[in-house]
This record gives sequence, structure tokens and C-alpha cells, in this order.
Amino acid sequence: GENVEQHPSTLSVQEGDSAVIKCTYSDSASNYFPWYKQELGKRPQLIIDIRSNVGEKKDQRIAVTLNKTAKHFSLHITETQPEDSAVYFCAASKGSGGSYIPTFGRGTSLIVHP
Amino acid sequence: GAVVSQHPSWVICKSGTSVKIECRSLDFQATTMFWYRQFPKQSLMLMATSNEGSKATYEQGVEKDKFLINHASLTLSTLTVTSAHPEDSSFYICSLPGGASNYGYTFGSGTRLTVV
Repeated sequence: GENVEQHPSTLSVQEGDSAVIKCTYSDSASNYFPWYKQELGKRPQLIIDIRSNVGEKKDQRIAVTLNKTAKHFSLHITETQPEDSAVYFCAASKGSGGSYIPTFGRGTSLIVHP
Repeated sequence: GAVVSQHPSWVICKSGTSVKIECRSLDFQATTMFWYRQFPKQSLMLMATSNEGSKATYEQGVEKDKFLINHASLTLSTLTVTSAHPEDSSFYICSLPGGASNYGYTFGSGTRLTVV
């Protein structure tokens, strides 16, 4: 089955700095890569996603890049703010229609210091 | 995306009792729902796939007799933790596919189960 590795497990940055979280996946058939943000005690929220036919996607301060050949994808957060502090999960999935079943990475705890 | 309601948000129960957690799809008919378990500071682990009108598909290592899943309608799936023990204490979250035009997943608000 799919195996998703995520690094680092903890990331501490100063407000205004950039943060980068990296994930690798094992199944070359995976074609959808979402990123979730989970605040303490709350549900994971989808923040950005990318499909395998796209190399990069950006939404304001966050961006995701995908390298299909190397089977890795990354989340980039620029101009970090204290409210960006949370646990971020990457995921990889394959399938079609509305029945993707993602495999999650182990999560990265991002701490943004004011 | 889908709108998901999960109840209760937290529950404390005694060892040996059973607890039922509900997950409702509020805006579309969900033939499939997913149940995850999350330990503190760990990732989301898929427990089972709930299939409307048929048996759930359990992941390897998950006891189907302990974690009973019922998906009797297109809007409701329930997870019952039977004969709960302290080691079952965890955060349980359901999720739904985002819908026909949305490849994302929407999660319920989660249920914090504490077994004492």
C-alpha cells in the first residue's frame, strides 16, 4: 500500500519567516495530494491540494509543489503568523470520483513565535 | 465541500460500557464514510470504511467486534465502541468525500473519548 513520509515532525520559526514541510510517497499511482491544518482539539481542515497533472499551486501565503518523478511534494508558507501555529498533515491518494482514500503523513507541528 | 456533523464532541465512560458516536452528512447523500482514530500528537489512522447498506471494511488490526460500524442510511454512520477500556481512549473522527465535484475530504469535528 501507500506509504507517506513527512518531515520535519516539529518546525519552529519566527513570525515573518517562511516554513517548508516536505512529504514523500511510495505509490506512483497516487494522483491527489491534499494538505490539512489541524489546530489543537479540532478537526483537520483542508488548506490546499494539488493533483498530479500540476507541478505547483499557490493560494495567497501558501503554496504546494509536486515532483512526480521524485515522488515528493512540499508545503510552503510565507510570511508566517502566530495563527499559522498548528499541526499540518500531508496526504496522498489515488482513485476517481468522490471516493479518494488518503494516506496521511505523521504530521508536522509548526510553531510560529511572535 | 461536504458539511459533516459529528456527535458527541466528547464523552467520558466507565470501563466495560459501550459508546456510540454519530456522523451525519448534512448536505449530500454519502454512500461511503470513513472513521479515523488519532492518538495525541500522532497522525490520523484509518480504522474502517463505512458502506451504506452493507458491511464496513475494516483496516488490518482493527477489531470489528469491538468497533461496530453501522451505515443504515445515506446520511448517517455510527461507530460504537463496545466494552470500552482505557486504551480505547482517543480522538475519533469521521470523514466524507467532498462530493461529486470536490476531490477533497471533509472531517467531522471529532469525538474525544475518555474511558475511566
